[in-house]
Amino acid sequence: QLLLQESGPGLVKPSETLSLTCSVSRASINRSPFYWGWFRQPPGSGLEWLGCIYYTGATYDNPSLKSRVTMSVDTSKNQFSLRLTSATAADTAVYYCGRVASGWDNDILTGYVTSWGQGTLITVSS
Amino acid sequence: DIVLTQSPGTLSLSPGERATLSCRASQIVTNNYLAWYQQKPGQAPRLLMYGASSRATGIPDRFSGSGSGTDFTLTIRRLEPEDFAVYHCQQYGESPWTFGQGTKVEIK
Repeated sequence: QLLLQESGPGLVKPSETLSLTCSVSRASINRSPFYWGWFRQPPGSGLEWLGCIYYTGATYDNPSLKSRVTMSVDTSKNQFSLRLTSATAADTAVYYCGRVASGWDNDILTGYVTSWGQGTLITVSS
Repeated sequence: DIVLTQSPGTLSLSPGERATLSCRASQIVTNNYLAWYQQKPGQAPRLLMYGASSRATGIPDRFSGSGSGTDFTLTIRRLEPEDFAVYHCQQYGESPWTFGQGTKVEIK
């Protein structure tokens, strides 16, 4: 069974960059047609999609965060990563990575999450 | 962005009862690209349904999804003790993909 595990600093200072890595095991990150996505859930709130990446490095971003989000993939380590710049308290959330079953429909990437990591709480505070 | 509104916010039911959860979209969801997830406290979400009405692998048939356009429903035919959780809907037909705020199904 596919396993995903997020790792990150836990605490980030305001204005700094939040960096997370998702390690994938029991399946290859190279497998088509899956994208690999990032999501977050602020305390007491709903889920938010941040963006996703293909094993080739192609990304598909949430436009509302695009200027702050950078994603990368390391196929040799079977990992993918997220960087979110200029962190504020509003970025405090549980961050999840996930495997996204994807397809293209009129140039729109469609996708739902078939497997999720356990999530990691990131707090932005001085 | 497509806003998904889930109702009710909380559903109080007893084991064995039928649960009906609603997810209403602010615009038509392309090709019924709508998913449902179950989330228990302290756990990651779990995929239940995709394409509005297709059950994910391993999901019991007491779970069913229906709807089209802007109105979607998740039905749990007879609640089992393990079904008490928060349920989220997600549309993935338009960028950005968006989620509803969740419906909590609690034991009455």
